[in-house]
Amino acid sequence: DVKVTQSSRYLVKRTGEKVFLECVQDMDHENMFWYRQDPGLGLRLIYFSYDVKMKEKGDIPEGYSVSREKKERFSLILESASTNQTSMYLCASSFLAAYEQYFGPGTRLTVT
Amino acid sequence: KNQVEQSPQSLIILEGKNCTLQCNYTVSPFSNLRWYKQDTGRGPVSLTIMTFSENTKSNGRYTATLDADTKQSSLHITASQLSDSASYICVVILSGGYQKVTFGTGTKLQVIP
Repeated sequence: DVKVTQSSRYLVKRTGEKVFLECVQDMDHENMFWYRQDPGLGLRLIYFSYDVKMKEKGDIPEGYSVSREKKERFSLILESASTNQTSMYLCASSFLAAYEQYFGPGTRLTVT
Repeated sequence: KNQVEQSPQSLIILEGKNCTLQCNYTVSPFSNLRWYKQDTGRGPVSLTIMTFSENTKSNGRYTATLDADTKQSSLHITASQLSDSASYICVVILSGGYQKVTFGTGTKLQVIP
């Protein structure tokens, strides 16, 4: 079974803090993704990576950056957290872009 | 405007009843369509995947249909169970280049005893 794990289920941070969300997959997948999910808006792609050290902007990259130093690990960074970044963050991985994506359990981030 | 529209937004049904969830999409060129189930507080899990040449795909009590001409898909749940309570998300994948993935906003289903 594919397993995608995320470093925290719940996180509370203050405005202006730097926040790191980590994601690890154990299936040697090429592609990894970071989404945020907000009520009424569905999942929106923040960034994705198709290889180590490679990254592409998704639909809403502003205020975020990512890092992929190893194939199994994809990190999302909020350089200076703001209250409008309060959301559920979901990481996913897939073998190829068009293949099924496997999701982690999500991190519910609250920025106060 | 979201290019993948789902209806209804929410639905309450009695345990044991059937229900049908709808997905209309406008994005193209189409590669494949997936339905995901997302339990509260969890990540989505794939239920079915259909290419443009398939018009029906089943997974237990879940049956997805696809009409690529009208750009409509439905997910039919038979003999609902309390564990079916979840959000159901329609996802359309485009063909060509990096295959862009577009998510619908989901239908929240509640099955009550």
